[in-house]
Amino acid sequence: EADIYQTPRYLVIGTGKKITLECSQTMGHDKMYWYQQDPGMELHLIHYSYGVNSTEKGDLSSESTVSRIRTEHFPLTLESARPSHTSQYLCASSGTGTGVGNTIYFGEGSWLTVV
Amino acid sequence: DAKTTQPPSMDCAEGRAANLPCNHSTISGNEYVYWYRQIHSQGPQYIIHGLKNNETNEMASLIITEDRKSSTLILPHATLRDTAVYYCIVRGPYNNAGNMLTFGGGTRLMVKP
Repeated sequence: EADIYQTPRYLVIGTGKKITLECSQTMGHDKMYWYQQDPGMELHLIHYSYGVNSTEKGDLSSESTVSRIRTEHFPLTLESARPSHTSQYLCASSGTGTGVGNTIYFGEGSWLTVV
Repeated sequence: DAKTTQPPSMDCAEGRAANLPCNHSTISGNEYVYWYRQIHSQGPQYIIHGLKNNETNEMASLIITEDRKSSTLILPHATLRDTAVYYCIVRGPYNNAGNMLTFGGGTRLMVKP
């Protein structure tokens, strides 16, 4: 089983609030990712990181931002939440190398509802 | 990454083997086949992956055809807890920008008592 943790699991916040979704992994993985998934829909990559101080935007445009100050930590922040940000956010990580080392492991997800 | 084609849904009787097919006719020589599943409201769970040879672990078996254009995930004795959406993904060997995990629609497996 993967050791990747997300908090909070469920959150309801008001429009305009700032929110940070936390993600931590204890596997020493260099690569970390954030995906967004609306109910019943496909997962879309919104951010990824190759290592400390590295962040890139994914395929799906997102108003969120990320940081990678420590290897094990990859938080996602929304400066001013809107109802359109209501979704499930999934954090993932992977190691180096090919085959097994290339496998991406996911956290349990954070369900965000903006009212 | 190569595209994959999976049936949108399948049913399976509890205790029977569930065979989930996946077509990936444009797969290239160094691309792996990965399978994940997602149980409602949870994060995707890694199941198994392979390159050329058939693979087996405690969760499932993966059968890849000799030409590598299709594969089958086998859950040998499906239980109700195996009800989930199953994703077949092909991707290159390295974790770089060109080999990101891209999820399609998957197969919704319903295990029935």
